[in-house]
Order: sequence, then structure tokens, then C-alpha cells
Amino acid sequence: KQEVTQIPAALSVPEGENLVLNCSFTDSAIYNLQWFRQDPGKGLTSLLLIQSSQREQTSGRLNASLDKSSGRSTLYIAASQPGDSATYLCAVRRRETSGSRLTFGEGTQLTVNP
Amino acid sequence: DTEVTQTPKHLVMGMTNKKSLKCEQHMGHRAMYWYKQKAKKPPELMFVYSYEKLSINESVPSRFSPECPNSSLLNLHLHALQPEDSALYLCASSQVYLAKNIQYFGAGTRLSVL
Repeated sequence: KQEVTQIPAALSVPEGENLVLNCSFTDSAIYNLQWFRQDPGKGLTSLLLIQSSQREQTSGRLNASLDKSSGRSTLYIAASQPGDSATYLCAVRRRETSGSRLTFGEGTQLTVNP
Repeated sequence: DTEVTQTPKHLVMGMTNKKSLKCEQHMGHRAMYWYKQKAKKPPELMFVYSYEKLSINESVPSRFSPECPNSSLLNLHLHALQPEDSALYLCASSQVYLAKNIQYFGAGTRLSVL
């Protein structure tokens, strides 16, 4: 059974810091990995999708890396801003399913202080 | 347009009521999903529809009844719910082809069962 773990569970940083969120998964037979952002009481916003054959993806101040063999992904946020405050979730899609079953981590709650 | 629209945004119902949640997308996606999310927990998959056919049912109680009347619309019919069913219900959609399988989420329906 695939298990996804995110560390840390919560993070509070001053504005302007660069930071790294971690995601690990137990079964490396994944198809892809997706990072989401969720604001309180809201739906999920897709940030980045990394295919299993890729090493990283970048979008603006965000960079996500994937090391499938070690079961790890990181989300790097450069020059953090108060608007980045949210919960960040990673989710992996297992290779054997023809459907689209995502397994989510518990999330990292990020607070960026002005 | 990457929008998934869910209605209503909030719903309060008694345990004897019958209500429905609605989800709509116009991105041409042929896979649609229902998730349940409790506070401070990741989303839990409930159902997956692929080409308007139910492909995954994660052993959800029969008081939740999904329906996919066409490729743009997904409903979740609710009947005789329990207070522990109170949660944020999220709808998502994606292309069926796994390589392009970014899931787009709606803002959710906040359900309270009294």
C-alpha cells in the first residue's frame, strides 16, 4: 500500500526566505507526482506535475524535484511571500491503476510572516 | 478555462433529508472524481467516473449515490446522512490519459449534517 509522508507538518518563516517542503512515498512504482496548494476551506490548486521520467519542474518561484528511486520529492519556494501561506499537499499516482487514484500526503501548513 | 464549478458552496441538512451536490466542467475532461475532506486531513477518494461510467468506488456507504449524466456533469446524491459525514466535498476532473492527468479541483461544498 502506498504511503505518502510530508515533512514538516507546519512551517512558519519570515517573508523573503527560501524554503523547502518534503514529500516521501513508499512505493516507487508511481506514474507521476503532483503538488497542490489549498487555502483554508477552499479547493485544491494544482501547482506542478512531475512525470515519473522527469527530475524536476519549474513554475515561477516554484521548483519541484523528483527522485523516484529514493521515493522523494521536494518543493522549493523562492523568496517567499505572505500570499504563499497555505497548506501544500503532494499526491502520487500509482502506476498500476488505469484510473486516476491519487494518494495524498497529510500536507505542510505554511505561514509566511510579513 | 480550467474551472470546475461546484454548487452549492454550503449545505446544511438533517439526517432525514435528501439533497444533491453538483459539479460541472467544460474542459472536455472524461474523468471526474468525488473526494471527501475532513478538517486538517488530506482528501479521500470516494468515486471515479471514466467516460461517464463508474470505474472506482472506494467502498463508500450507499447513502452516497453518484451520478454522471453527461461528460460535463457529476452529481452526488445524499440521503439519510450521519453527522460524521459533515466535511468538505470536492469534485475534480482530468483527462483520462495518464500522462496528461493533471486533476483540477473545484472549490468544494461545505456540508454540515445536523
